[in-house]
Amino acid sequence: QVQLQESGPGLVKPSETPSLTCTVSGDSVNPYYWSWIRQPPGKGLEWIGYMHYSGGANYNPSLKSRVTMSVDTSKNQFSLKLSSVTAADTAVYYCARIAVTGGDAFDIWGQGTMVTVSS
Amino acid sequence: SSELTQDPAVSVALGQTVRITCQGDSLRSYYASWYQVKPGQAPVLVIYDKNNRPSGIPDRFSGSRSGNTASLTITGAQAEDEADYYCNSRDSGGNLYWVFGGGTKLTVL
Repeated sequence: QVQLQESGPGLVKPSETPSLTCTVSGDSVNPYYWSWIRQPPGKGLEWIGYMHYSGGANYNPSLKSRVTMSVDTSKNQFSLKLSSVTAADTAVYYCARIAVTGGDAFDIWGQGTMVTVSS
Repeated sequence: SSELTQDPAVSVALGQTVRITCQGDSLRSYYASWYQVKPGQAPVLVIYDKNNRPSGIPDRFSGSRSGNTASLTITGAQAEDEADYYCNSRDSGGNLYWVFGGGTKLTVL
């Protein structure tokens, strides 16, 4: 059974560049597509970006200038860096697998990790 | 980029049928996926592709599409179905880009 587990810094200060990691167990990051999605408190889901184990990636235009995603196949992990954070980036961050043979849906999700931006 | 529009809130009497809709241009090209989100829990995929349910999702959940509108139907809603429901699809702009609807809060009365 495939499971995803996010990890992150929890509390970060404005202007910092937190890094979040998603560890995949029960399968390999190869050959899947992976995504990060976030949900600010009391608000809806927002797609952040996707990446492929081969290195291909695309990001939400609203966040593109601040987002970097990467994959570490040796650790079976993929990561998200979000630069110059503000309070508006406070959210639960989820990693998810994209089922490219299943209508491009996000079929498996991690439990999420809360990132709070506060001085 | 595309946008997906959902009604903010819908209610249904216990055991009755409810339809939650999602509108957007991308839905003319791509099927919507639907996610159930309960407080404090991760989203759960309930419908994907034309009308497919992942293993473990009750068959009272079904999906459909007409033009630019996708629908999630719950036939015989149960108390445990009370949740937020989000639609999402690929963007129709040709890039690998996804969009979510704003979510619909379903109340089971």
